[in-house]
Amino acid sequence: GNSVTQMEGPVTLSEEAFLTINCTYTATGYPSLFWYVQYPGEGLQLLLKATKADDKGSNKGFEATYRKETTSFHLEKGSVQVSDSAVYFCALSDKGNNRLAFGKGNQVVVIP
Amino acid sequence: EAQVTQNPRYLITVTGKKLTVTCSQNMNHEYMSWYRQDPGLGLRQIYYSMNVEVTDKGDVPEGYKVSRKEKRNFPLILESPSPNQTSLYFCASKLGGPTGELFFGEGSRLTVL
Repeated sequence: GNSVTQMEGPVTLSEEAFLTINCTYTATGYPSLFWYVQYPGEGLQLLLKATKADDKGSNKGFEATYRKETTSFHLEKGSVQVSDSAVYFCALSDKGNNRLAFGKGNQVVVIP
Repeated sequence: EAQVTQNPRYLITVTGKKLTVTCSQNMNHEYMSWYRQDPGLGLRQIYYSMNVEVTDKGDVPEGYKVSRKEKRNFPLILESPSPNQTSLYFCASKLGGPTGELFFGEGSRLTVL
């Protein structure tokens, strides 16, 4: 079935550092791909998405490119802020049955 | 304001005492879903609904029931809660179709003693 794999473990980095969170997926066909963010004490909210191969999603300085050849959708930000501290989830939506599959999430902590 | 509203936000209950977590959305979304979030396991789908009177099992449906009698409401029912259902629960909704944004409620933290 469809699945999403995110790199293990929390990510701790200093303010203004470069952030990368890896996401790879397994799916039949051509799913839509998403990054959701969860700030402390809140529900998840959409950060960005890409619906076809080579599409780049971007929002709030974050970017991710849908790479079909490597089945990846890595999240990047060039200069993180303390306010970017949150849990980040990669997800895919199967066009066939409309279900979303989420990765396990990565806690990101940005230190001033 | 467009939103997904869950109640209660916090609940402590005992094993076997039936409970219902309500979920309501005001965006006229066809699709609604319930997830549970547990440390180290991420978000797992419990049940989802593509439209009124249409529900399907997600990845972890055991011990839960749902109903979709109206488009805006999608309650989650625990007929006989057990301690392994202690978790953080999220309701979410979106328009039909695979590319739409999923809107989440603020979560319901349930503890079963």
